[in-house]
Amino acid sequence: DSGVTQTPKHLITATGQRVTLRCSPRSGDLSVYWYQQSLDQGLQFLIQYYNGEERAKGNILERFSAQQFPDLHSELNLSSLELGDSALYFCASSRGGAWAEAFFGQGTRLTVV
Amino acid sequence: QQPVQSPQAVILREGEDAVINCSSSKALYSVHWYRQKHGEAPVFLMILLKGGEQKGHDKISASFNEKKQQSSLYLTASQLSYSGTYFCGTGPRGQGAQKLVFGQGTRLTINP
Repeated sequence: DSGVTQTPKHLITATGQRVTLRCSPRSGDLSVYWYQQSLDQGLQFLIQYYNGEERAKGNILERFSAQQFPDLHSELNLSSLELGDSALYFCASSRGGAWAEAFFGQGTRLTVV
Repeated sequence: QQPVQSPQAVILREGEDAVINCSSSKALYSVHWYRQKHGEAPVFLMILLKGGEQKGHDKISASFNEKKQQSSLYLTASQLSYSGTYFCGTGPRGQGAQKLVFGQGTRLTINP
């Protein structure tokens, strides 16, 4: 158990809908990363927050947004969903900084039908 | 900028050695290595920092060549449990911008 909690574990929704994925980081971790992993593909970096502030953005679509709340949990919002958005979405947390390892949650498997 | 890993896949017999390489077109400050088993979350293996500091794992080692902007992961006397996909990530430069961007992965299969 990495200490990072993601909910829900599985989500099935229709095209055009909006969903929210939730991530609770490890206790004491200020940094949260979001990744998208399509079937048998690599980990695509989406966005990163540190202590409530957005710090880095990757290839995140405009239909996707995220935020980190004062209690440090984070949410990833995906809207106007398309079939191609079906993927495993991982959240990872770390203490921040170059030396800090990232701990991954078990992921949310999103299926868009 | 996504780092490039090689090889993309490798199949070994138990007890053989493997080397996985990670290259970046940008200057590397830190390199992270993770292993992901099928259907599971990636798990931390090792961090290498510019300047040579290394944190890591008992039976797996790594090198970091700052000049060549490369890192290599060495798995010696591989065990069945080493099977999985290995990702290298080019890490953040401290407390500022904190992208942790991963390569496309190297799939390692260890057969008995």
